Amino acid sequence: AQKITQTQPGMFVQEKEAVTLDCTYDTSDPSYGLFWYKQPSSGEMIFLIYQGSYDQQNATEGRYSLNFQKARKSANLVISASQLGDSAMYFCAMREGDNYGQNFVFGPGTRLSVLP
Amino acid sequence: DTGVSQDPRHKITKRGQNVTFRCDPISEHNRLYWYRQTLGQGPEFLTYFQNEAQLEKSRLLSDRFSAERPKGSFSTLEIQRTEQGDSAMYLCASRHPGRDEQYFGPGTRLTVT
Repeated sequence: AQKITQTQPGMFVQEKEAVTLDCTYDTSDPSYGLFWYKQPSSGEMIFLIYQGSYDQQNATEGRYSLNFQKARKSANLVISASQLGDSAMYFCAMREGDNYGQNFVFGPGTRLSVLP
Repeated sequence: DTGVSQDPRHKITKRGQNVTFRCDPISEHNRLYWYRQTLGQGPEFLTYFQNEAQLEKSRLLSDRFSAERPKGSFSTLEIQRTEQGDSAMYLCASRHPGRDEQYFGPGTRLTVT
């Protein structure tokens, strides 16, 4: 079974609008971490945001926020006020186990295109 | 610049040849990871080091692949007798012991002809 599911292969958003990228995960471990990375066409993976399974509040980092719904096992990324430079592949990832866990799994990604 | 660096950035080799890639992690990051990424896919975990110890290897890592981190700083990934299916981007990432996130290098793109 897929550990990380990203159902949107591609998304379009108008510049300055908000966009939500979907991510659902599958784990039976009570302790885990969820991550979002951005990969521009240059190829480098850029860390955006992290949410721990025990965190009570949704994580936020500037224009990025993570909509964490634990019961639904979803960890959607919300980008507010989209910019042209946000056009890239976005990957959701999960680390099973606590901070010392090393089993990182990435989803297939969503390609976001920001339209001027 | 104190980011993760990888060398070379691109490598073209003929099938059957051996190749070696190098990764220099961020200083003070004792954890180092290697991933492989093929076109249109997310990165797939290959192996993990904590300091100089290789603690985990994926089943994806055939016996033609070997990785080392001899002094707990830089790491090398060697592929012996390359095959066309080895063509991919090889990504290295490092992680601070007190943090959750990994930081990735720019990757080495391998093309096997």
